[in-house]
Amino acid sequence: DGGITQSPKYLFRKEGQNVTLSCEQNLNHDAMYWYRQDPGQGLRLIYYSQIVNDFQKGDIAEGYSVSREKKESFPLTVTSAQKNPTAFYLCASSPQGTGELFFGEGSRLTVL
Amino acid sequence: GIQVEQSPPDLILQEGANSTLRCNFSDSVNNLQWFHQNPWGQLINLFYIPSGTKQNGRLSATTVATERYSLLYISSSQTTDSGVYFCAVRPINAGNNRKLIWGLGTSLAVNP
Repeated sequence: DGGITQSPKYLFRKEGQNVTLSCEQNLNHDAMYWYRQDPGQGLRLIYYSQIVNDFQKGDIAEGYSVSREKKESFPLTVTSAQKNPTAFYLCASSPQGTGELFFGEGSRLTVL
Repeated sequence: GIQVEQSPPDLILQEGANSTLRCNFSDSVNNLQWFHQNPWGQLINLFYIPSGTKQNGRLSATTVATERYSLLYISSSQTTDSGVYFCAVRPINAGNNRKLIWGLGTSLAVNP
């Protein structure tokens, strides 16, 4: 089945710990994205990558880091520098051309 | 930058009713998508519709690019239609940047 897989779906971490969220796609899409959503809010772009080994900061990149070593994978690390990391994180991908966006099921991070 | 406004912000319907959601944008776009976020947080891609009209079952969408708005029609609403509907656009002057600009969403509740 083609799609975007995010893991884990739920994650708890203690303050001061880094955590890495996984995002894998088998749609052969060039671009991948990470969004953050807080309760009752819209989506805010954290980072995006349009090709392998290249990525750009979005609107709220501080406290986050990414890598794009493979076309299929775009992991997001939430570092201890992120002041309010508790949120719902959504990964997306899009093909070249239309740029039509498709989403994974999301990862819910709670910092205790 | 481009502004995206969705209306109404909230909507309550009785099962079986029809509704129209609106998305206004302040500049020309070459990508417009409608998404449904279900109560579990998953974002479902409803329509990729930078212009014209599309239909998918009980849902249809129309984008009038020259007048900078898009409409999402839901007919014979069901409780499973509940959730938040987002409109997202990409400005035509964005060049190679595939970043989407998001509206704040319309929160829909369909009562049985």
